[in-house]
Amino acid sequence: SQQGEEDPQALSIQEGENATMNCSYKTSINNLQWYRQNSGRGLVHLILIRSNEREKHSGRLRVTLDTSKKSSSLLITASRAADTASYFCAGGGGATNKLIFGTGTLLAVQP
Amino acid sequence: IAGITQAPTSQILAAGRRMTLRCTQDMRHNAMYWYRQDLGLGLRLIHYSNTAGTTGKGEVPDGYSVSRANTDDFPLTLASAVPSQTSVYFCASSDSGGRQGMYSNQPQHFGDGTRLSIL
Repeated sequence: SQQGEEDPQALSIQEGENATMNCSYKTSINNLQWYRQNSGRGLVHLILIRSNEREKHSGRLRVTLDTSKKSSSLLITASRAADTASYFCAGGGGATNKLIFGTGTLLAVQP
Repeated sequence: IAGITQAPTSQILAAGRRMTLRCTQDMRHNAMYWYRQDLGLGLRLIHYSNTAGTTGKGEVPDGYSVSRANTDDFPLTLASAVPSQTSVYFCASSDSGGRQGMYSNQPQHFGDGTRLSIL
């Protein structure tokens, strides 16, 4: 399988704390995307970082990308109970937009 | 509301039966995808289509077929369902990014899935 891996598999924190999730991938990529999935729903795109970028911010989200280590991290600052969800990284490459997804991190934010 | 509609939302099916999962998008995206999601394995690509009239195989295409007669619809067919095809199936679409034939660096938009159980 060419899937990436995410670490940790599960994370439980208190509201207001920061949450950090890590992703490692195996193949060369053009971009690395992060998605959120609430229970019983489809995936929602959060942020995309291109292979020539090292860091990107969007609201309370901060993503880093290290192509030499084939790894990325997602930081959610000042977490809220509504951030409780599964988070997936996905690597995109080539002329098509096929994505290879990681196995996900289940984040639980306790109120 | 613009987006992707999948039908049915859930289905229980006897092994050996034929089943078509429907997917429709109203965003005029050129590219569409079918994934299956299994516990512990994340999402795996079954088939994809870069534009109407073309399709391609993903990571796990065996036992599935697709067609892309127009931009909006991308049905997935299980010709003869087997229990290992029990999964949650997600349809997604993405824009072409403004350059013909180039689809990289675009987010994908997902439907809410079809939960399929094969007995």
